[in-house]
Amino acid sequence: DAGVTQSPTHLIKTRGQQVTLRCSPKSGHDTVSWYQQALGQGPQFIFQYYEEEERQRGNFPDRFSGHQFPNYSSELNVNALLLGDSALYLCASSLGYEAFFGQGTRLTVV
Amino acid sequence: GDSVTQMEGPVTLSEEAFLTINCTYTATGYPSLFWYVQYPGEGLQLLLKATKADDKGSNKGFEATYRKETTSFHLEKGSVQVSDSAVYFCALRSNDYKLSFGAGTTVTVRA
Repeated sequence: DAGVTQSPTHLIKTRGQQVTLRCSPKSGHDTVSWYQQALGQGPQFIFQYYEEEERQRGNFPDRFSGHQFPNYSSELNVNALLLGDSALYLCASSLGYEAFFGQGTRLTVV
Repeated sequence: GDSVTQMEGPVTLSEEAFLTINCTYTATGYPSLFWYVQYPGEGLQLLLKATKADDKGSNKGFEATYRKETTSFHLEKGSVQVSDSAVYFCALRSNDYKLSFGAGTTVTVRA
């Protein structure tokens, strides 16, 4: 089992650009959540997808959007990037109770 | 809303020392509580969990007891190793689907 895989691992973007991050959940997991972890901080919940619908959303602006595909994989899109969007973006998948995290995508906005 | 407050770091210990990291929470209802560990350059790994009051979670020599009366879930290990050097996060899941995390405590164990 490959676990939760995220791509790319690192990314550098310019302010104002758009970015798409990808996540493949652990085999059999139907729920995907995204978190933003700023340097030196704990992860902050962005949103969760289940059955291709956004089930819950955290306190993030509409510039942050997502999608879940029929195979349960997911994308996180961020538009109009700001310097403050620089962070580690973590994807977590779950089938019930326990969440399994990927290694994250390190996004740097310059 | 839900929140988690954990002991500020960094914490530096010698090998075989006793480790404790304090964690308190505020939540509606009866949350489930977790400790996650993050090794350098990696994502989060679940270390242990407790789903109801007085439950004790344990794994790899780490323990934490769900104390409803003090709204706490302190992490302890009796004898740390260099390999325990990492960032530790306390987290809770309340009646909704998200995990709420503390700010993390960096632990460094010296040989």
